[in-house]
Amino acid sequence: GEDVEQSLFLSVREGDSSVINCTYTDSSSTYLYWYKQEPGAGLQLLTYIFSNMDMKQDQRLTVLLNKKDKHLSLRIADTQTGDSAIYFCAESWGSGNTGKLIFGQGTTLQVKP
Amino acid sequence: DVKVTQSSRYLVKRTGEKVFLECVQDMDHENMFWYRQDPGLGLRLIYFSYDVKMKEKGDIPEGYSVSREKKERFSLILESASTNQTSMYLCASSPGQGSEKLFFGSGTQLSVL
Repeated sequence: GEDVEQSLFLSVREGDSSVINCTYTDSSSTYLYWYKQEPGAGLQLLTYIFSNMDMKQDQRLTVLLNKKDKHLSLRIADTQTGDSAIYFCAESWGSGNTGKLIFGQGTTLQVKP
Repeated sequence: DVKVTQSSRYLVKRTGEKVFLECVQDMDHENMFWYRQDPGLGLRLIYFSYDVKMKEKGDIPEGYSVSREKKERFSLILESASTNQTSMYLCASSPGQGSEKLFFGSGTQLSVL
């Protein structure tokens, strides 16, 4: 079945770049997403990429998609302490964009001052 | 801004009790979802609904049921709570077909003793 895998923890220093990686299995996913969960809160959509794109940049965020390897990454430039959170990679189930998502385990990003 | 409100932030229940988790969204969204979040496992879909009185099973529906009598409200029911249902429960909504964005509530941390 469909599966999304992430490493569980990443620690960086403030000002460095962070790279969070994700692998997925369903090659028919129309969109791939990154959600952010701050402590005590629900998830918020951070960014997403359409499956026919290789890269998407949004201010400090860069999403890279390697469809051949089914690998997705999120790069955060100039990481700040406010970026400390859990980051979830997610893929949509098949086509049609139903909103039904499969989530990875979440990567906890710790930013040290 | 879309608001998804979950009725309780924390709940403590006893084994065997019937538990109701309520979720309300205020933006006339078609789709509503219930996920549970467990450390190291990410989010897993329990049930979802595309319309009033409509429901579909997700990945882990066993031990749960849902009710959607009104468009804005989606309830998760634990018929007879068990300790393995101790978890964070997250409700989400999305506008409908063609939308890629899920809006999440803040979550209900349920402890079953």
